[in-house]
Amino acid sequence: DAKTTQPTSMDCAEGRAANLPCNHSTISGNEYVYWYRQIHSQGPQYIIHGLKNNETNEMASLIITEDRKSSTLILPHATLRDTAVYYCIVRVEGNYGGSQGNLIFGKGTKLSVKP
Amino acid sequence: DTAVSQTPKYLVTQMGNDKSIKCEQNLGHDTMYWYKQDSKKFLKIMFSYNNKELIINETVPNRFSPKSPDKAHLNLHINSLELGDSAVYFCASSQGWASGIQETQYFGPGTRLLVL
Repeated sequence: DAKTTQPTSMDCAEGRAANLPCNHSTISGNEYVYWYRQIHSQGPQYIIHGLKNNETNEMASLIITEDRKSSTLILPHATLRDTAVYYCIVRVEGNYGGSQGNLIFGKGTKLSVKP
Repeated sequence: DTAVSQTPKYLVTQMGNDKSIKCEQNLGHDTMYWYKQDSKKFLKIMFSYNNKELIINETVPNRFSPKSPDKAHLNLHINSLELGDSAVYFCASSQGWASGIQETQYFGPGTRLLVL
């Protein structure tokens, strides 16, 4: 089962920032927070991941709370092409001794960017 | 240019048939995966191979048999297809495991399987 909770859906106006929340209150100290998205009829696409510190790349920013129990993915200037289902996943990195390293996808948040 | 490719993109077949889906990655990755996305859109891992060796098998019926002829290819063969096998199957790859290197998974475009 997914260890994260996300809103089912969100809307965002084109050009505005999209802030997607995720709760992961049972996250362990060695688990990373990953974000993927799936645009309709395509394979999931990696966005960003982090452990404790806030992270930024060319696609998005990831803000992780100090207690690590929640995080927010920020798309600074959403475009129509950002309409997708966004998945927040927690996983252990580098451990393939069992299932701990698996990417476990929940239901995600369906983000609709509107003109 | 395609990083992770799958063939075929669409597959329509009769119940009871045997079919294969192929996956290739040109990223030089050591680890490859198969995922299944059902009609409710839940995406679940099925198998993972590292350097041609099976490392994850998530309680998948033994009608599903992955085969990795080399580390750039991971094919999925399905025997005696059932209606419930209808789904989208995604292949993915990552740099490696237990290597300390970021293990981001890169996904293929998916194979849409419909069993009639």
